[in-house]
Amino acid sequence: QSVLTQPPSASGTPGQRVTISCSGSDSNIRSNTVNWYQHLPGTAPKLLILRNDQRPSGVPDRFSGSKSGTSASLAISGLQSEDEADYYCAAWDGSLSNYVFGTGTKVTVL
Amino acid sequence: QVQLQQSGPGLLKPSQTLALTCAISGDSVSSKSVAWNWIRHSPSRGLEWLGRTYYRSKWSNDYAISLRSRINISPDTSKNQFSLQLNSVTPDDTGVYFCARTNMGANDKWGQGTLVTVSS
Repeated sequence: QSVLTQPPSASGTPGQRVTISCSGSDSNIRSNTVNWYQHLPGTAPKLLILRNDQRPSGVPDRFSGSKSGTSASLAISGLQSEDEADYYCAAWDGSLSNYVFGTGTKVTVL
Repeated sequence: QVQLQQSGPGLLKPSQTLALTCAISGDSVSSKSVAWNWIRHSPSRGLEWLGRTYYRSKWSNDYAISLRSRINISPDTSKNQFSLQLNSVTPDDTGVYFCARTNMGANDKWGQGTLVTVSS
């Protein structure tokens, strides 16, 4: 069982804004930075957001991250068909001394 | 350009040992600013962090709590690579295994993935 909880699914039409939540605790999200990954099963995950809200080079500014307390969010604005994938939040958990991934959210473009 | 190239068998029988290697180019396994991880994916569990090795003034490891009794991750500085060993595998260990670099607190470079199937 993951210690970071995400909704199992989210959807939107092209051009819409979709937000994915990630709920954790004091030992992970509140104490450490949050990263977000995009994953198409069978391929290597791609880093989308690091340190709560920073985009690596090459990631479109349609993707944005935020954190408040023990929760974090990923927003995708101007949804595109190629955004259809699984999205995971992740953070270091100081109590477990483990890097923990969220339960994952499948984004569908309608 | 950092690249990670994985190698190792993809088919195992229950109770055997899973052994995968991740060869690094464009960076050093001994770098003091990064860590080297193994992560796996399965449809039932999603992404799961297995553990990491890293060098600061000495080599250190962290392992997923659920795997600590049967996992080992070790560096090979002569070949600039690191390896995963997972003992006593069961069908529950079936999945796609990835190696990855942690840089600035996030996994920014990934290997290509290895499908590991555990079946009798």
